[in-house]
Amino acid sequence: GAGVSQSPSNKVTEKGKDVELRCDPISGHTALYWYRQSLGQGLEFLIYFQGNSAPDKSGLPSDRFSAERTGGSVSTLTIQRTQQEDSAVYLCASSSGTGTEKLFFGSGTQLSVL
Amino acid sequence: AQTVTQSQPEMSVQEAETVTLSCTYDTSESDYYLFWYKQPPSRQMILVIRQEAYKQQNATENRFSVNFQKAAKSFSLKISDSQLGDAAMYFCAYRRYSGNTPLVFGKGTRLSVIA
Repeated sequence: GAGVSQSPSNKVTEKGKDVELRCDPISGHTALYWYRQSLGQGLEFLIYFQGNSAPDKSGLPSDRFSAERTGGSVSTLTIQRTQQEDSAVYLCASSSGTGTEKLFFGSGTQLSVL
Repeated sequence: AQTVTQSQPEMSVQEAETVTLSCTYDTSESDYYLFWYKQPPSRQMILVIRQEAYKQQNATENRFSVNFQKAAKSFSLKISDSQLGDAAMYFCAYRRYSGNTPLVFGKGTRLSVIA
């Protein structure tokens, strides 16, 4: 696609429910990142995929968070048993993975946990 | 671990004036990249300008320029001739030079432009 696409744009859920957030990176981009942006905070790194390598999960805040990337393209971030503190904007970014440092971001998913 | 600090949560500037946003960082690396990203209400992060640490010359992109002080680990953004469309959140970010490592972001500065 022309840019990084994220869906849904907004998601409201009840505490304790599971949610799935989707990211469709730019075609051909091998690197994919997930970040979380809480109110008044900067962007917090969650997880990073690069090609067929094992993902860097060092930023995931708890075992309720997981992500996968199918076929080296689309990625899904799953949050199980959501808590109110999970409310945030979840941003996805991709890059060509050739060593270039420019990341292209999507418009994010605003998650609200009631 | 690398950290990025933006000490100004909010700034304002009159239209057509100049404003400088501050950023400091902490790293033990000698080679790295520094960035300024803009986030308008649409939430999509837009790269404004980037600087390679091995380059002494400050990066410039039209009305945007940086003051990179490597020894002081300072990386400020100057916006000249401010426009209403410049109003946004601005994030400073750091990235190691080697590999596709994640960007480390500061907490951002909200810039308002007054007509």
